[in-house]
Amino acid sequence: EVQLVQSGAEVKKPGESLKISCRGSGYSFTSYWIAWVRQMPGKGLEWMGIIYPGDSDTTYSPSFQGQVTISADKSIRSAYLQWSSLKASDTAIYYCARRWYPVDAFDIWGQGTMVTVSS
Amino acid sequence: SYELTQPPSVSVSPGQTARITCSGDALPKQYAYWYQQKPGQAPVLVIYKDTERPSGIPGRFSGSTSGTTVTLTISGVQAEDEADYFCQSADTSGSSYVFGTGTKVTVL
Repeated sequence: EVQLVQSGAEVKKPGESLKISCRGSGYSFTSYWIAWVRQMPGKGLEWMGIIYPGDSDTTYSPSFQGQVTISADKSIRSAYLQWSSLKASDTAIYYCARRWYPVDAFDIWGQGTMVTVSS
Repeated sequence: SYELTQPPSVSVSPGQTARITCSGDALPKQYAYWYQQKPGQAPVLVIYKDTERPSGIPGRFSGSTSGTTVTLTISGVQAEDEADYFCQSADTSGSSYVFGTGTKVTVL
């Protein structure tokens, strides 16, 4: 079965760092781009950026450039989203999603990781 | 920044037809995709490349396009179709993805 499994919910304080993960299975992990998508409480979906695990080529949304870092480790079939200094406004559910090439849709989604930032 | 605009809500009776629009200046040049999201769940792709339906998606879901507007149509709406729906596309350069503002479909 093709799936993306994300790491569990996190509760952090403002200023702390965090790295969440997304592990792919059931397909060639290095052949498909992985995107990260934010959903703030009660709000819509926002595309944050995308990485190609084969060579770690990465593109960020202008809205998130400099705010987060996207990375991947193909040896363990995982993509990552990290923050160096969290803010309360980073509270959201974060999804990873596979880009279905060449259709260009996001066809497989992780279950989401809830990140809560509160003092 | 590039935006895709959807109506906030659409209400429809069971068995009727729901139409959800998505407007954006780059839509004549870029394909559109539609996702269904039920409460507490991850989004699910229901339409790709404007009009195509992934395997496993019921035939009552269809997509169409006209100029700067794409439309998701749900024919013969069922209670299980109550969800949020998001369109998605790319900007004119194709280097940045964007999601629509989202539409909540309520089945009366």
